[in-house]
Amino acid sequence: DGGITQSPKYLFRKEGQNVTLSCEQNLNHDAMYWYRQDPGQGLRLIYYSQIVNDFQKGDIAEGYSVSREKKESFPLTVTSAQKNPTAFYLCASSKRSPTTDWETQYFGPGTRLLVL
Amino acid sequence: SQQGEEDPQALSIQEGENATMNCSYKTSINNLQWYRQNSGRGLVHLILIRSNEREKHSGRLRVTLDTSKKSSSLLITASRAADTASYFCATPSYSGAGSYQLTFGKGTKLSVIP
Repeated sequence: DGGITQSPKYLFRKEGQNVTLSCEQNLNHDAMYWYRQDPGQGLRLIYYSQIVNDFQKGDIAEGYSVSREKKESFPLTVTSAQKNPTAFYLCASSKRSPTTDWETQYFGPGTRLLVL
Repeated sequence: SQQGEEDPQALSIQEGENATMNCSYKTSINNLQWYRQNSGRGLVHLILIRSNEREKHSGRLRVTLDTSKKSSSLLITASRAADTASYFCATPSYSGAGSYQLTFGKGTKLSVIP
């Protein structure tokens, strides 16, 4: 059963705490992405990775960090520097690196992060 | 970066009616994509239309693209309750370092009443 999995579905963060959101894909896709979605808003790009051991900042990277040690995995860490982390986080992948402008993205089910 | 803007923000129709959503964007593009998002879930790709195509069909979906007006429309015919979802247009923009990123609009929330 191919696809993108994200865990956990819900995550709670305490003040000053770092939390890590998991994203795994078995589609053999080269590129992976992290988006943040706030209520009633579109998606905003946090980070993306075109290839293993490489990643670039998106529009709202401050307070977030990522790693891409394996092709299948692209975890996102929300650090304590992110002052307003409550949001719905979506991971996506595309077959090839986005060096062309027609790549379709495949999304995971999302993780909802809440601050206690 | 440019952004597609959907219109209307929300749309409520009766089952069996047609639903039309519009997307406007700011700068020239080579293609435009539409995605669907069920409540609390990830997005699902629906269709991609290229700048040299004026209209494209996929099942009950019909997408048009007017590059002179920088706008696109998504028509869902004979709507069903299961079509209830938010619909987003996405346009590519060059992000540097030889790569493109998709920029999503805020979406149209469609409610189909049984």
